Amino acid sequence: GIQVEQSPPDLILQEGANSTLRCNFSDSVNNLQWFHQNPWGQLINLFYIPSGTKQNGRLSATTVATERYSLLYISSSQTTDSGVYFCAVAYNDYKLSFGAGTTVTVRA
Amino acid sequence: EPEVTQTPSHQVTQMGQEVILRCVPISNHLYFYWYRQILGQKVEFLVSFYNNEISEKSEIFDDQFSVERPDGSNFTLKIRSTKLEDSAMYFCAIPRDRDNYGYTFGSGTRLTVV
Repeated sequence: GIQVEQSPPDLILQEGANSTLRCNFSDSVNNLQWFHQNPWGQLINLFYIPSGTKQNGRLSATTVATERYSLLYISSSQTTDSGVYFCAVAYNDYKLSFGAGTTVTVRA
Repeated sequence: EPEVTQTPSHQVTQMGQEVILRCVPISNHLYFYWYRQILGQKVEFLVSFYNNEISEKSEIFDDQFSVERPDGSNFTLKIRSTKLEDSAMYFCAIPRDRDNYGYTFGSGTRLTVV
């Protein structure tokens, strides 16, 4: 299967700071999603972004498919942004391969 | 974004007991998927189900596991004889739309085997 590596594994931010999370993948993909896992364990879809750039409020994401990486940007972080962020990818077989996640802690 | 409800949200069971986890998408889907997340680890694919048949399964999905679509609208994951290592969060997932632009995950069932 496709290997997915996320960095950094842990990130501690002061409220209001900006940050960048990275996802590298080992093969071509036609599905890439970013998820936020909240403290209750729910996986919330943030972006479907197999290529290009998207923005949603304070979050934005960019995927450079030819170079096999994706970036998730968090701007003006808030305490509610805390949680684990997962990158997940797939190619044609539809099952998602997840990275190990980045644990983000935003301090007030 | 389609909604997917999972029940129960949390289940505690004794080792060796059978458990049935349920997934109810808000609309009709031919495809659905089950994933598992052991505490503190990454989310892992278990099985995909298309048109009432298993289309793919991982090595985790052994003979203790089964999936069904009992009444056409909800989907179930059954673990016949639970082991301590089955303790995990279980998620079902469905395609977000007909063009399959990614997946929506259910709210999850936290299974604790004691």
